[in-house]
Amino acid sequence: EVQLLESGGGLVQPGGSLTLSCAASGFTFSRYAMNWVRQAPGKGLEWVSTITGGDGNTFYADSVKGRFTISRDNSKNTLYLRINTLSAEDTAVYYCAWGVITGTFEYWGQGTLVTVSS
Amino acid sequence: AIRMTQSPSSFSASTGDRLTITCRASQGISSYLAWYQQKPGKAPKLLIYAASTLQSGVPSRFSGSGSGTDFTLTISRLQSEDFATYYCQHYYSYPWTFGQGTKVEIK
Repeated sequence: EVQLLESGGGLVQPGGSLTLSCAASGFTFSRYAMNWVRQAPGKGLEWVSTITGGDGNTFYADSVKGRFTISRDNSKNTLYLRINTLSAEDTAVYYCAWGVITGTFEYWGQGTLVTVSS
Repeated sequence: AIRMTQSPSSFSASTGDRLTITCRASQGISSYLAWYQQKPGKAPKLLIYAASTLQSGVPSRFSGSGSGTDFTLTISRLQSEDFATYYCQHYYSYPWTFGQGTKVEIK
């Protein structure tokens, strides 16, 4: 059974930093691209970032490029998202998502809430 | 970035109705399109990928069509559990983007 379990969210002051984690199980983690998708309160879905399997190429939404860093530890089956210079616009539920077909999100975690406020 | 525009943004319907949601891409995306259903407080659920391929376990009353720039999601007969928000998403090229969502409410 595929499971994705996010952690690391919380209340952060503007300008602060945070690292989110996603522990994956039930599939061969190292083979596949992994993704972060976020949803601000009451708003729609926004793709944030992807890291490919194998070569670990990274891709980012324009809104987060230069501030967010996606990474993975295949030995721990864990995905990360380092978020720097947080602003109120980054307040959202952050989901870890995976699909056999790159670009589709077949499995989702339960989400972790990041709240940016002073 | 490719912009995805859904219509309508919201829709009131009754159980048993047929519903069609449209998604338009700002440039051609071949068939690299997925549809998701999201209920309040829950993670989205993949319904359709490759524009028309039904995800395993999704009821056959859901169907998708289209290619290039114009796509549709159809629910043939709405059931009570189908009242939710629906999103399209392209994965043709980075950055991947979602439509703004279509909220389907009970009339």
